[in-house]
Amino acid sequence: EAQVTQNPRYLITVTGKKLTVTCSQNMNHEYMSWYRQDPGLGLRQIYYSMNVEVTDKGDVPEGYKVSRKEKRNFPLILESPSPNQTSLYFCASSYWGRTTDTQYFGPGTRLTVL
Amino acid sequence: SQQGEEDPQALSIQEGENATMNCSYKTSINNLQWYRQNSGRGLVHLILIRSNEREKHSGRLRVTLDTSKKSSSLLITASRAADTASYFCATEYNAGGTSYGKLTFGQGTILTVHP
Repeated sequence: EAQVTQNPRYLITVTGKKLTVTCSQNMNHEYMSWYRQDPGLGLRQIYYSMNVEVTDKGDVPEGYKVSRKEKRNFPLILESPSPNQTSLYFCASSYWGRTTDTQYFGPGTRLTVL
Repeated sequence: SQQGEEDPQALSIQEGENATMNCSYKTSINNLQWYRQNSGRGLVHLILIRSNEREKHSGRLRVTLDTSKKSSSLLITASRAADTASYFCATEYNAGGTSYGKLTFGQGTILTVHP
């Protein structure tokens, strides 16, 4: 089944404790992206990647890192999480990243930073 | 940054009624997409309309685009309880040619369809 998977689905952590949220897609998509969703703010793009080893900042990249060493995986790294990073995170992928391409979303990761 | 803004923020209707949601944006676009999100879950693509199109249909969905007003509407006809979800428009800048990567989502309209 074609899908985007994220792990973990739920995570509660404390300020400053490094964490990684994994994202994997099995559709051989070139493009992958991370969003965060907050009440009243909608979805905001954190980082995106057009291909392996190619990443770029979205609208809210501060406090986040990403890497794209393999086409199928695009982990989101929070080196020193803070409470303002408490949010619902989505990974998405599409074939080429053109804005005419349909983006396929993962199920989301709900992160709470205490 | 550019952002689509949906209107209304919340909409409550009875099954069988039509639901109309609107999206306004600020600068010229190449295309506009609509997505649906069931509570707390990932977004699902519904339909894409290009800037040179005025109307598009997909099943019970009808999308219109008015580039002069910088707005789009999503109409769901004969709504069902299963249509209850949040609906988002997504836009991108027209920077000349095909744009890559940066889709900007609005805040969404929460639709509740009562059985």
